Amino acid sequence: EADIYQTPRYLVIGTGKKITLECSQTMGHDKMYWYQQDPGMELHLIHYSYGVNSTEKGDLSSESTVSRIRTEHFPLTLESARPSHTSQYLCASSGSGGAGTDTQYFGPGTRLTVL
Amino acid sequence: KNQVEQSPQSLIILEGKNCTLQCNYTVSPFSNLRWYKQDTGRGPVSLTIMTFSENTKSNGRYTATLDADTKQSSLHITASQLSDSASYICVVSDRGSTLGRLYFGRGTQLTVWP
Repeated sequence: EADIYQTPRYLVIGTGKKITLECSQTMGHDKMYWYQQDPGMELHLIHYSYGVNSTEKGDLSSESTVSRIRTEHFPLTLESARPSHTSQYLCASSGSGGAGTDTQYFGPGTRLTVL
Repeated sequence: KNQVEQSPQSLIILEGKNCTLQCNYTVSPFSNLRWYKQDTGRGPVSLTIMTFSENTKSNGRYTATLDADTKQSSLHITASQLSDSASYICVVSDRGSTLGRLYFGRGTQLTVWP
C-alpha cells in the first residue's frame, strides 16, 4: 500500500465556500499530481508539480490552485466552490526516474459534492 | 489524437472463471503501458507495467500482454475472485515530454459474482 494520504475523504459543502483538499506523501517523491475523475470517465490531470515551488496546470482547465511549499505536501484550493466542481479528486506522486517510467502512486481520493 | 480505448465497458463473470480485458491505444511516441486496478471509492493501484520491448508481464493471477505493432494490450485474469471486482484502467505514457504524459482509458468495470 502506497504512503500517500488525502483528507477529507468525503466533503459536502455549499456554493461559494472556500475549500482546501489535503494531500501528503511520505515516500520522498519529487513529482506530485492532482487528477479529477467523474463516474465512468477517465482521469484528467488538473495540476502537477516537479518539486518544491514548482507547479503547473494540467490538461483539464480548473479553477482550483495548488501550492508546493514542502516536498511531502501538495494541497489543492478552490476559492469559491460551485456545483460544477462536484467530482472525485485524486492525488498521486512518483519518483524521479526517466520520462514516464515511474509508477504513480495514488491516494484514496476526496469525493467532493457542492450543493 | 492520442487516445486509449478499453473494452468491454463492463463485464460480469462468475467466481472462478477467467476473463480478458482489452486496450487499444494511439499514443505516440510510446513509452510504456500500465494496467491499474481501482476499487470503488479508492485510488488506482498499479498491477503491471510494460515497455516497448516487453510482450507479457505477470503479477499473480493477472497477466498483461502488449503488441506494440498493433498498439493493443490485454489483461487476463485467471481463476477470478470476488475481490477482483473493480475498475481496470489502461494507462499509456508517451516519450514526448519530461513529465511523461499519461493517457488514461475509461476503464472496464468488472463484477465477479459468487
